[in-house]
Amino acid sequence: DAKTTQPTSMDCAEGRAANLPCNHSTISGNEYVYWYRQIHSQGPQYIIHGLKNNETNEMASLIITEDRKSSTLILPHATLRDTAVYYCIVRYSNTGNQFYFGTGTSLTVIP
Amino acid sequence: DTGVSQDPRHKITKRGQNVTFRCDPISEHNRLYWYRQTLGQGPEFLTYFQNEAQLEKSRLLSDRFSAERPKGSFSTLEIQRTEQGDSAMYLCASSLEGVSPLHFGNGTRLTVT
Repeated sequence: DAKTTQPTSMDCAEGRAANLPCNHSTISGNEYVYWYRQIHSQGPQYIIHGLKNNETNEMASLIITEDRKSSTLILPHATLRDTAVYYCIVRYSNTGNQFYFGTGTSLTVIP
Repeated sequence: DTGVSQDPRHKITKRGQNVTFRCDPISEHNRLYWYRQTLGQGPEFLTYFQNEAQLEKSRLLSDRFSAERPKGSFSTLEIQRTEQGDSAMYLCASSLEGVSPLHFGNGTRLTVT
């Protein structure tokens, strides 16, 4: 079962930063946070992952709180093509190596 | 394109028929995963392989489902005696070992009539 909590849906104005929160209060020390997004009729697309430190790549930034109980995915300048369902996943080592997806956050970027 | 490839993209079958899907992972990835996704839900884990060994199976994988990865490269997922409840998107993903992320294909959409 997914061990993360995300808002069901969010809106963001085109060109503004989209900040997507995720709670993972039961995360343990060696477990990573991963973010994926899924556009209708396509497979999930990997965005970014991290353990403790903040991470940035060409797609997004990941901010993980110091206690690691929550994180935020930041899309710095949202475009219409960023409209998708965003999944926050914690990889639990005690359940093997699979990723457990929740229902994610449906982000709509508004022109 | 060196991503994960799945075939077919769409499959319509009648209840009771058998179907088989194929997944070709990224070539250097030794881990391969199968997921199922129904409308409005996130992907649900079915099974995963490390090389040719099937290391874990979900309770969702009933005895009508079987997956193979005979040479540690491509994989097949077979569903026998399909039921309407099997209608879903079947997703394949691959990864390297360790904390490497999964890379997904675009799935096979199964419709059982």
